Amino acid sequence: AQRVTQPEKLLSVFKGAPVELKCNYSYSGSPELFWYVQYSRQRLQLLLRHISRESIKGFTADLNKGETSFHLKKPFAQEEDSAMYYCALSRIQGAQKLVFGQGTRLTINP
Amino acid sequence: ETGVTQSPTHLIKTRGQQVTLRCSSQSGHNTVSWYQQALGQGPQFIFQYYREEENGRGNFPPRFSGLQFPNYSSELNVNALELDDSALYLCASSSLGGQNIQYFGAGTRLSVL
Repeated sequence: AQRVTQPEKLLSVFKGAPVELKCNYSYSGSPELFWYVQYSRQRLQLLLRHISRESIKGFTADLNKGETSFHLKKPFAQEEDSAMYYCALSRIQGAQKLVFGQGTRLTINP
Repeated sequence: ETGVTQSPTHLIKTRGQQVTLRCSSQSGHNTVSWYQQALGQGPQFIFQYYREEENGRGNFPPRFSGLQFPNYSSELNVNALELDDSALYLCASSSLGGQNIQYFGAGTRLSVL
């Protein structure tokens, strides 16, 4: 079964502190992993995908196939990072059905 | 380049009624996917349309149906509405065979009373 688990519904850190949003998945085969973000009053948008291997807004995420994890990290949190974050997976090719986790609300305190 | 637009933004219906939600895909995209997002949950895949044909379906009953038009816009129809159908319905467009990144609309908030 395809499943994405985000164990923390809420995460609160202080500005300048490191951030790690956890994501674990189960999938038979090789999935593509994504992080989507939703800022206040904005639509859901792609933050990054594991295939791109890039850093967006200071965030990185490494796919760990052994631990079936795709945790999102940022070394120094900024207030504008406060948002809802969703981890999602799909198969690499063909019909891209996204399977989402339930999301983590990140709050950066000043 | 225009983004994904959905209409209406809000809708209130009563149990047993039927509803149609609309989505215009982003310019250059040929695929539309629909998701249901219940309060406090992540989006859940309903189905996807590519070249006017259903191209994958999630675990939703047949009373959830859709259409895609030659201009790649799409409709989601829900018959015999139930209270549990109250949710945010998201449309996402993408280019199958291209980068396969889904771009989301702002959603339609459906309330079933």
